[in-house]
Amino acid sequence: GQQLNQSPQSMFIQEGEDVSMNCTSSSIFNTWLWYKQDPGEGPVLLIALYKAGELTSNGRLTAQFGITRKDSFLNISASIPSDVGIYFCAGLTDSWGKLQFGSGTQVVVTP
Amino acid sequence: DAGITQSPRHKVTETGTPVTLRCHQTENHRYMYWYRQDPGHGLRLIHYSYGVKDTDKGEVSDGYSVSRSKTEDFLLTLESATSSQTSVYFCAISERASKPEQYFGPGTRLTVT
Repeated sequence: GQQLNQSPQSMFIQEGEDVSMNCTSSSIFNTWLWYKQDPGEGPVLLIALYKAGELTSNGRLTAQFGITRKDSFLNISASIPSDVGIYFCAGLTDSWGKLQFGSGTQVVVTP
Repeated sequence: DAGITQSPRHKVTETGTPVTLRCHQTENHRYMYWYRQDPGHGLRLIHYSYGVKDTDKGEVSDGYSVSRSKTEDFLLTLESATSSQTSVYFCAISERASKPEQYFGPGTRLTVT
């Protein structure tokens, strides 16, 4: 099946720093989604991207749909303690709405 | 927040026993999905449903079955639980395939001893 490679696997950052993470695939996706998961909870949708080259923001979060349609990037600006969690990318695989998820990037914010 | 509940939230069961997990939604969304989440594997699709009584297999469907007799309920059954099925199970819903944003429930932590 399609493989989504998400990097980095984890990152330790100081409050106020900017964060960047990415997802790459060997296959083309028509939609990219980014989720955040807090401990003990289900993933929460952050941003959805539908077009190659699209750049979308949600507060301090900005995500981009790569031009090749095989990658996507998520940036968090001026990190705060509540940004702690696991961030997942997901690509739409078919017309039934099935998603392929990356393995996640764990973000730890230190004061 | 999307109206999705899962029950039970936690369950411990013995190897070989049947287990049924329930997902209930109040959004009237057509599509429903069951995932399992394990360390290092992210979220993997078990089964999904595209309407009442319409279901299909996902990536890791062996040992699992599903049923959907009403729009709002999607049941996941482990016919004979094994220790490899110890995991956190998430249900998700989406409105339609052309609008693929999926919204997740709170999860069920299942331990098979």
